[in-house]
Amino acid sequence: AQSVTQLGSHVSVSEGALVLLRCNYSSSVPPYLFWYVQYPNQGLQLLLKYTSAATLVKGINGFEAEFKKSETSFHLTKPSAHMSDAAEYFCAVTTEKTSYDKVIFGPGTSLSVIP
Amino acid sequence: KAGVTQTPRYLIKTRGQQVTLSCSPISGHRSVSWYQQTPGQGLQFLFEYFSETQRNKGNFPGRFSGRQFSNSRSEMNVSTLELGDSALYLCASLPGLSGGLREQYFGPGTRLTVT
Repeated sequence: AQSVTQLGSHVSVSEGALVLLRCNYSSSVPPYLFWYVQYPNQGLQLLLKYTSAATLVKGINGFEAEFKKSETSFHLTKPSAHMSDAAEYFCAVTTEKTSYDKVIFGPGTSLSVIP
Repeated sequence: KAGVTQTPRYLIKTRGQQVTLSCSPISGHRSVSWYQQTPGQGLQFLFEYFSETQRNKGNFPGRFSGRQFSNSRSEMNVSTLELGDSALYLCASLPGLSGGLREQYFGPGTRLTVT
């Protein structure tokens, strides 16, 4: 069975500073990994996904994540935080490519951006 | 193109009552999935429908049920409500089957409060 942990339930960064949100996974087989963002009173939006192609994945809004098998990590980064990045971020893992019913979501990290 | 819409957005019910939530997918999308989001359990998969057929079901009691209509609109029903059913219920749609890890498009959710 797979699992995912997100270190830090709340992260604060200054506007213009580096954003680093941590995600570690556990899986006995090669995983597929996702990052989602949830803005207040909205549903989830896919930022990026790793599907075993390139280990460095670029997503929307300037975010990217690097799959590191040796560290079982898939950390999300953005070089320069913007006020509009304030939201809840979820890392998710699955080993099934045929459906989403086995996707395991992390507990989420709330990102605050300080002006 | 209009996004996924969910109605109602907010709902307050009493223990023991039943509730029906509605989801209208993006036009042309035939797959609809439902998720429950709570602070304690996080995001959990409820079920997935495609062409009026339930494809997958999560680990929830039989009080949770759903259906999909010929126009792809979906409803989920929770009978005999319990306090623990208080949650944000999210619906997501896909053009076709969820295979291949294609992007799901989430609605804003229905916030259910059980008192």
